[in-house]
Amino acid sequence: GQQLNQSPQSMFIQEGEDVSMNCTSSSIFNTWLWYKQEPGEGPVLLIALYKAGELTSNGRLTAQFGITRKDSFLNISASIPSDVGIYFCAHLTSGSRLTFGEGTQLTVNP
Amino acid sequence: NAGVTQTPKFRVLKTGQSMTLLCAQDMNHEYMYWYRQDPGMGLRLIHYSVGEGTTAKGEVPDGYNVSRLKKQNFLLGLESAAPSQTSVYFCASSKTGTGSYGYTFGSGTRLTVV
Repeated sequence: GQQLNQSPQSMFIQEGEDVSMNCTSSSIFNTWLWYKQEPGEGPVLLIALYKAGELTSNGRLTAQFGITRKDSFLNISASIPSDVGIYFCAHLTSGSRLTFGEGTQLTVNP
Repeated sequence: NAGVTQTPKFRVLKTGQSMTLLCAQDMNHEYMYWYRQDPGMGLRLIHYSVGEGTTAKGEVPDGYNVSRLKKQNFLLGLESAAPSQTSVYFCASSKTGTGSYGYTFGSGTRLTVV
């Protein structure tokens, strides 16, 4: 299947710091989705992107759909302890199936 | 306001045993999916359904079967469990296949095969 390369694999930051993570692919996509998974729960949609160059915010989160349509990044500003979790990028394949990246594990130290 | 409910939440099986995982959604969604999550590998699609009575294979279907006899339920079966099927299983549903409304995930079933 189409591979999504997500980096970094893990991040350890101090509360208040900004965070940036990204996702790349060798294929062109029409959608980029960002999910967050908290311990013991399923992933929850944070931001959906549908156009190249699109920049979308959701509170302290900002995500962009790369111009080349092969990458996307997610920024979290002024991190807080409840930002802890695994962040996944994903895209929709034909047949309406989500394909996920490997995830970025975020740890926020108070 | 239940959303997607998975049962059971935890299960330990012996190699060769069979079991069925149940997923139920109360949002009248057309599409339903079964994923497995393993450390460092994200979520991988096992099987999915685009409507009642239909099923299709995903990325890692071997060793699993599914059924969607009712729109609100999607069952995942393991006929002869193997240690390689130790994983966390997530069910999801969506109103359409476009991703516009996102997927709603259940809380997962943690399965250990010994």
